[in-house]
Amino acid sequence: EVQLVESGGGLVQPGGSLRLSCAASGFTFSDHYMDWVRQAPGKGLEWVGRSRNKVYSYITEYAASVKGRFTISRDDSKNSLYLQMNSLKTEDTAMYYCAGQDSYGSGSYPWWGQGTLVTVSS
Amino acid sequence: DIQMTQSPSSLSASVGDRVTISCRASQSIRSYLSWYQQKPGKAPKVLIYAATSLQSGVPSRFSGSESGTDFTLTISSLQPEDFATYYCQQSYTTPITFGQGTRLEIK
Repeated sequence: EVQLVESGGGLVQPGGSLRLSCAASGFTFSDHYMDWVRQAPGKGLEWVGRSRNKVYSYITEYAASVKGRFTISRDDSKNSLYLQMNSLKTEDTAMYYCAGQDSYGSGSYPWWGQGTLVTVSS
Repeated sequence: DIQMTQSPSSLSASVGDRVTISCRASQSIRSYLSWYQQKPGKAPKVLIYAATSLQSGVPSRFSGSESGTDFTLTISSLQPEDFATYYCQQSYTTPITFGQGTRLEIK
């Protein structure tokens, strides 16, 4: 059974930092692109960024709203994905999901974690 | 960025109804379109990928169609468990973008 389990969320002040983790199991993590998607309270889904797989040199891509502040990394030996969030703003308050991209090239996300809530407030 | 315009934003329907939700891309995304269902407090769940392919385990009452940059999710006969919010997503290019969502409510 595929599982994605996020952790690391919490309350942080504006300008602060937080590191989220996503532990994967049940599939060959190293083969897949992994993304972070967030959802502000009562709002829609927003793509945060991506880590490509080893074949594509672990290239990372980011949404304009987080570029330069957030960093995505992964450790295939630990089947884990990370999101380092710096210079946090109140508008970064959201549920953060890690999502695994499919292996047949459609770009869909068959696998999602349960999410971890990040609240940026003074 | 590719804009995904979803309609309607909300919809009231009854059990047994046939429902369609539309999504229009601002430019060609070929067939790189997925549909998700999200229930309150839960992560999204993929229903349709590659515009028309049914995800394994998803009931056959869900179907997807495409015509150029217009995409449609159809639920052939609404069941009580289908009342949720639905999102389209393009994966043709980054940044990945989602429609704004359609909230499907019980009439």
